[in-house]
Amino acid sequence: KAGVTQTPRYLIKTRGQQVTLSCSPISGHRSVSWYQQTPGQGLQFLFEYFSETQRNKGNFPGRFSGRQFSNSRSEMNVSTLELGDSALYLCASSLAATTPGGAFFGQGTRLTVV
Amino acid sequence: KQEVTQIPAALSVPEGENLVLNCSFTDSAIYNLQWFRQDPGKGLTSLLLIQSSQREQTSGRLNASLDKSSGRSTLYIAASQPGDSATYLCAVSDGSSNTGKLIFGQGTTLQVKP
Repeated sequence: KAGVTQTPRYLIKTRGQQVTLSCSPISGHRSVSWYQQTPGQGLQFLFEYFSETQRNKGNFPGRFSGRQFSNSRSEMNVSTLELGDSALYLCASSLAATTPGGAFFGQGTRLTVV
Repeated sequence: KQEVTQIPAALSVPEGENLVLNCSFTDSAIYNLQWFRQDPGKGLTSLLLIQSSQREQTSGRLNASLDKSSGRSTLYIAASQPGDSATYLCAVSDGSSNTGKLIFGQGTTLQVKP
């Protein structure tokens, strides 16, 4: 059974640009969550999608957005990139919004903003 | 607001030692608690998941306990090996809202010396 797949694995972007990251959850999983990991702030919750609806959103500016498709794949978009957006972006999938099975993470996308 | 704290932040032990990693959380209204392992630059690997109604879970040399009333969890690693060197993260699932949002501690970085 394939795990959570995130693409691309690495990205280098210039300040002011926008970027789109993709996450394919484990087959059958309907909940996808996104997290930002930085050395200073640790892992911070961005947002969660369940059945194409955003269920919860973290404390990030509106430049960070996401969506989920009918096949449960999810994308997150960051517009007007800032240097501080450089981070490891992790996606997690689970069977349902609150599940006894726990969350499973992808390998992440390393975003560097220069 | 739920806060998760992990102590110690870093730990260095000789191979073969048994060790305990600690995790505390401020709000006992959790749905479950998960322990993850993260190797440098990689994603998170789920180690153990404890439901709020459970007291402990075991997998191989790993044992995790949960005391919800006191807001504490411990991860016990028996007979540590150099391959156990990684950062260990504790996360609680917010039980007060119907989402899969995870709240993470800052992690314990473990080094096991041969």
